[in-house]
Amino acid sequence: DTGVSQDPRHKITKRGQNVTFRCDPISEHNRLYWYRQTLGQGPEFLTYFQNEAQLEKSRLLSDRFSAERPKGSFSTLEIQRTEQGDSAMYLCASSAQGRGFNEQYFGPGTRLTVT
Amino acid sequence: AQTVTQSQPEMSVQEAETVTLSCTYDTSESDYYLFWYKQPPSRQMILVIRQEAYKQQNATENRFSVNFQKAAKSFSLKISDSQLGDAAMYFCAYRSASGKLTFGTGTRLTIIP
Repeated sequence: DTGVSQDPRHKITKRGQNVTFRCDPISEHNRLYWYRQTLGQGPEFLTYFQNEAQLEKSRLLSDRFSAERPKGSFSTLEIQRTEQGDSAMYLCASSAQGRGFNEQYFGPGTRLTVT
Repeated sequence: AQTVTQSQPEMSVQEAETVTLSCTYDTSESDYYLFWYKQPPSRQMILVIRQEAYKQQNATENRFSVNFQKAAKSFSLKISDSQLGDAAMYFCAYRSASGKLTFGTGTRLTIIP
């Protein structure tokens, strides 16, 4: 098990461009979470999937953001028409489901810079 | 909605000494979990310690322990025998029934050699 991976690790884009990030969770985990972390702040929840179903979305997830997990394995997060305020670290985490701790394991994140 | 508050933006401690990081939270739920995560510079978030709300006994993990006061909605982290490798941002987090985590703003811990 190689843990949660994210790609790319860094992305620099110009305002108005579209970007897409990928997250590969731990293989046996059926829950996948996306968070956004700005400098000096804690991560903020964006959305989560149970298998391929997107079960909850934060108000932070504007219409320009879309997330998918087509086969219940990897997930993508797309930001359309990027704005400078989108600059942040985008974190992915995965966990098992059910009662108990179900620890969320975090990936290394994708750092987005919008110029 | 749940909120998590960390009132200490920065803390420092001499190597080998003990330090306590504070965290308070607000919730109307009765069944939840609390976590402390560590985020070293330019490295990924890792779990330090966790606590089930229905358990009165405070969790411990080697040099790390918590003081969980459910009625006061307080969840502090104590690090004993501080080591240079403990230097990081520490985040307190609340996990709701859906599984999503709500984080505090973090405490930057510096270890003084």
